[in-house]
Amino acid sequence: EAQVTQNPRYLITVTGKKLTVTCSQNMNHEYMSWYRQDPGLGLRQIYYSMNVEVTDKGDVPEGYKVSRKEKRNFPLILESPSPNQTSLYFCASSSAMGRGPDEKLFFGSGTQLSVL
Amino acid sequence: DQQVKQNSPSLSVQEGRISILNCDYTNSMFDYFLWYKKYPAEGPTFLISISSIKDKNEDGRFTVFLNKSAKHLSLHIVPSQPGDSAVYFCAAPQPTFGDGTTLTVKP
Repeated sequence: EAQVTQNPRYLITVTGKKLTVTCSQNMNHEYMSWYRQDPGLGLRQIYYSMNVEVTDKGDVPEGYKVSRKEKRNFPLILESPSPNQTSLYFCASSSAMGRGPDEKLFFGSGTQLSVL
Repeated sequence: DQQVKQNSPSLSVQEGRISILNCDYTNSMFDYFLWYKKYPAEGPTFLISISSIKDKNEDGRFTVFLNKSAKHLSLHIVPSQPGDSAVYFCAAPQPTFGDGTTLTVKP
């Protein structure tokens, strides 16, 4: 089954304790990205990657890191989490980013992160 | 400055009636748009898209209309069903998302 898999689904942590949210897709998509969803703010892009070893900042990259060492994986790293990073996070992938109306994204099920 | 705006945070309609979800954009260079639907505890899923060379795209009960002069698009759902209750996001290229509209369809 074609899918984007995120882990964990729920995570509670404390300020300053490094964490990683994993993301993997099995569709051989070149494009992957991370979003956070906050009430009233929609989906805001954190980082994206057009291909292996290529990553770029999105709209809200502060406090986050990513890596794209393999095509299928795109982990999101919070080196020193803070309470304002409490949010719902989504990973997504696409085979046709930038190619018009076909650039639909496939999303993971989300990771609810709480930083105390 | 937000480039895609969904000015109605919520919409409630009766089952069988039409649902109309609206989206405004500021960048006249945008040449396509997409709509996504999101159920609770799930990620968004692609619903329908439209190219700027068209003013309408239809897929079953879902139709998207594009008015380029007004920089406005709308998603029509006819007839609305309780299973359509979800958050709907409008998206422009790259993509840039609106804040979403929560649709509730009452039986």
